[in-house]
Amino acid sequence: GQQVMQIPQYQHVQEGEDFTTYCNSSTTLSNIQWYKQRPGGHPVFLIQLVKSGEVKKQKRLTFQFGEAKKNSSLHITATQTTDVGTYFCAGHGSGNTGKLIFGQGTTLQVKP
Amino acid sequence: GAVVSQHPSRVICKSGTSVKIECRSLDFQATTMFWYRQFPKKSLMLMATSNEGSKATYEQGVEKDKFLINHASLTLSTLTVTSAHPEDSSFYICSASSGTGHQPQHFGDGTRLSIL
Repeated sequence: GQQVMQIPQYQHVQEGEDFTTYCNSSTTLSNIQWYKQRPGGHPVFLIQLVKSGEVKKQKRLTFQFGEAKKNSSLHITATQTTDVGTYFCAGHGSGNTGKLIFGQGTTLQVKP
Repeated sequence: GAVVSQHPSRVICKSGTSVKIECRSLDFQATTMFWYRQFPKKSLMLMATSNEGSKATYEQGVEKDKFLINHASLTLSTLTVTSAHPEDSSFYICSASSGTGHQPQHFGDGTRLSIL
């Protein structure tokens, strides 16, 4: 079945350093969504990318969707302690089932 | 907007008890609701997808008689863990989406279930 792999599993950075998490799918995706889950909290929707090669920015966060629509990345510039949490990518396969396949998540720790 | 309320947030009960978890969309109509299970420091494992007024679609390996899902209205879905055992202890979290197609999912706060 369809799988979404995400790396790295954990990342510790010093405040101010950049951070990137990568997401790869075994099959072509209709779209990719990114969620952030704070410790003890629930996943919160960040963004959705639909088009091949699409790039979207939210302040210090940059999201990319690969040309083949099989991979994506989230890059955070100059991390802050508020960026701490687990970042999940999730993709829909072809079709209209609405079922999201989540990656394993990348847990970001930021040292002040 | 797009607030999903999940109750209870924490349940501790004896083995053999049935536990009902509610998931409500407060400010939108949820055509589809999803139930996930999340193990510590792990990803979200989809258990089932439910559409209002129809039977839930369960993922492979999820016992439908064990995890009863009801989606009686566009704002409410319930998950009942029947005759719960310690191995059912986990973090259960629901999400809801509106409209059709690949809409964002809005998550509830989750329910921490502990079976003694």
